Amino acid sequence: QVQLQESGPGLLKPSETLSLTCTVSGGSMNTYYWSWIRQPPGKGLEWIGYIYYTGTTNYNPSLKSRVTISVDTSKKQFSLKLTSVTAADTAVYYCVRTRGGRSDFDYWGQGTLVTVST
Amino acid sequence: QSVLTQPPSASGTPGQSVTISCSGSSSNIGNDYVYWYQQVPGAAPKLLIYRNYQRPSGVPDRFSGSKSGTSASLAISGLRSEDEADYYCATWDDSLSALFGGGTKLTVL
Repeated sequence: QVQLQESGPGLLKPSETLSLTCTVSGGSMNTYYWSWIRQPPGKGLEWIGYIYYTGTTNYNPSLKSRVTISVDTSKKQFSLKLTSVTAADTAVYYCVRTRGGRSDFDYWGQGTLVTVST
Repeated sequence: QSVLTQPPSASGTPGQSVTISCSGSSSNIGNDYVYWYQQVPGAAPKLLIYRNYQRPSGVPDRFSGSKSGTSASLAISGLRSEDEADYYCATWDDSLSALFGGGTKLTVL
């Protein structure tokens, strides 16, 4: 059974950089895309972007200027960096296995809450 | 305001059937598969329907999906209390971005 686990700081100040890592277990990273999706408290889901196991990336146009996703298949990890955070970036961040580079999100991490506050 | 439009709420009594709609355009739903996700309170979303109507292993056949043109629907028959959750549709857009609907909160009365 594939499992994903997010890790990283839960509290940031405005203008800092959000950094999260997702560790994959129970399956290979090969042939899959790996996404980050976020959900502000009480709101809906927003796709941030994905990375293919080879390193090819695709980002949400609305966040593209601030987002970097990287992958380390030897460690079975992929990571998210989001720069210049504001309160609007406060959300639960999910790492998600993605089939076919589309909207087929079949395995989700439990999510981690990141709060941006002074 | 989501590009994919879902009703904010839906409800039904146990045993009833309910349908949740998802409306898009030719640049998203009209041009790709639709996926549905179920999110029970406090948990991560779960894939419920993929490629318009297919169910992952373990999803009861009470859940069914369909797509026509630029709209899609999720139907739930034989409502059960455990179906109370938020439901999201998703698809891919020509802008090379994944899109989610705003979500529908299903209440089992």
